[in-house]
Amino acid sequence: QQKVQQSPESLTVSEGAMASLNCTFSDRSSDNFRWYRQHSGKGLEVLVSIFSDGEKEEGSFTAHLNRASLHVFLHIREPQPSDSALYLCAVSPGGSNAKLTFGKGTKLSVKS
Amino acid sequence: DTTVKQNPRYKLARVGKPVNLICSQTMNHDTMYWYQKKPNQAPKLLLFYYDKILNREADTFEKFQSSRPNNSFCSLYIGSAGLEYSAMYLCASKTGGSEVFFGKGTRLTVV
Repeated sequence: QQKVQQSPESLTVSEGAMASLNCTFSDRSSDNFRWYRQHSGKGLEVLVSIFSDGEKEEGSFTAHLNRASLHVFLHIREPQPSDSALYLCAVSPGGSNAKLTFGKGTKLSVKS
Repeated sequence: DTTVKQNPRYKLARVGKPVNLICSQTMNHDTMYWYQKKPNQAPKLLLFYYDKILNREADTFEKFQSSRPNNSFCSLYIGSAGLEYSAMYLCASKTGGSEVFFGKGTRLTVV
């Protein structure tokens, strides 16, 4: 059964400093990797999806996937206080009815 | 319209009473999911419909029901709410290689 773990549990960075979040997964055959953000009391906002090893950039968010080491990272460039939220990693196989397995998330606080 | 709509956004329910949550999408997606999210916990898949076929997770099999009367709508039904059902309920949809789209969620509070 797929296991997804995220670290750190919480992270505080200064406005403008790079924030790096880590996600590890257990099933090397996983195909789809997504990073979501949840502001307090709100729904999930997809930030970036990545399906092959390497990097993918969406605005200030960059995902880096290394399937061999079972890691997918999220780097946030020049975060703002409005980026303070819970960041969730989700892993799934491909296909129409694929189930997402989530980590518990990293709570990011950006201080001005 | 790439949005998944959930109603209501907030729901207050009494212990022992039924709860019905609604989700809709107009993207003609074949798969619709329901997740439960509690504070400090990972979102947990409860069930999903692939077309007309309902798949329920083994550990929540008896706690939640669902129906999908047509491609656009999917409901989540709790027959008798308990305090442990208080959570955010998230609906999502996808098809083929598309992105997974989430709704804004329904915050259920059981008292």
